[in-house]
Amino acid sequence: GAVVSQHPSRVICKSGTSVKIECRSLDFQATTMFWYRQFPKQSLMLMATSNEGSKATYEQGVEKDKFLINHASLTLSTLTVTSAHPEDSSFYICSAFLPGQLFQNIQYFGAGTRLSVL
Amino acid sequence: AQSVAQPEDQVNVAEGNPLTVKCTYSVSGNPYLFWYVQYPNRGLQFLLKYITGDNLVKGSYGFEAEFNKSQTSFHLKKPSALVSDSALYFCAVRDLYSGAGSYQLTFGKGTKLSVIP
Repeated sequence: GAVVSQHPSRVICKSGTSVKIECRSLDFQATTMFWYRQFPKQSLMLMATSNEGSKATYEQGVEKDKFLINHASLTLSTLTVTSAHPEDSSFYICSAFLPGQLFQNIQYFGAGTRLSVL
Repeated sequence: AQSVAQPEDQVNVAEGNPLTVKCTYSVSGNPYLFWYVQYPNRGLQFLLKYITGDNLVKGSYGFEAEFNKSQTSFHLKKPSALVSDSALYFCAVRDLYSGAGSYQLTFGKGTKLSVIP
């Protein structure tokens, strides 16, 4: 099956620093990836849609300058949380579609990254 | 706008008993419906989906879900629960006619299933 790898699985950083999270499609090429944020006991909130070779599409209320998304290749999308603050602490999850299966809408998810900002 | 409601934060069931995790949805057009499962500190795994056709959909690990258009529901079921089924379950919906290029899913808040040995 399709495998999406997310790294790191857990990161602890000081307030004011930047953190990069990587999302890789291991055995397929993903032109579209999604970045979600999940709060405790709450659902996944879509942050942005990452498109290979073009700018990401951000959801309303998500700060583009704070959550930088780069999708420079067909197998890698990165999310950088810039100048992180404690309120950015959360579980971040990426997902991707198999090529040609956008309409099937089955997303394959990474294992998530637990970000803790001190 | 599309939305999903999972009315139960937690469902407890004894091992071997049937289980049901409830989901209702709201879309302006016809729905794509999904169930995903999330184990602790893991990403979501696809269980099953409904697009068209038979209202009873069978998925992974013995799970099934029944689409009920009149009740706008898509409840997840399993005839005999296993302890290993204990996890967080998410229902998700997409409006089938939400437009080309729009593949976003709207997720419910999740239901924690605990299967008691």
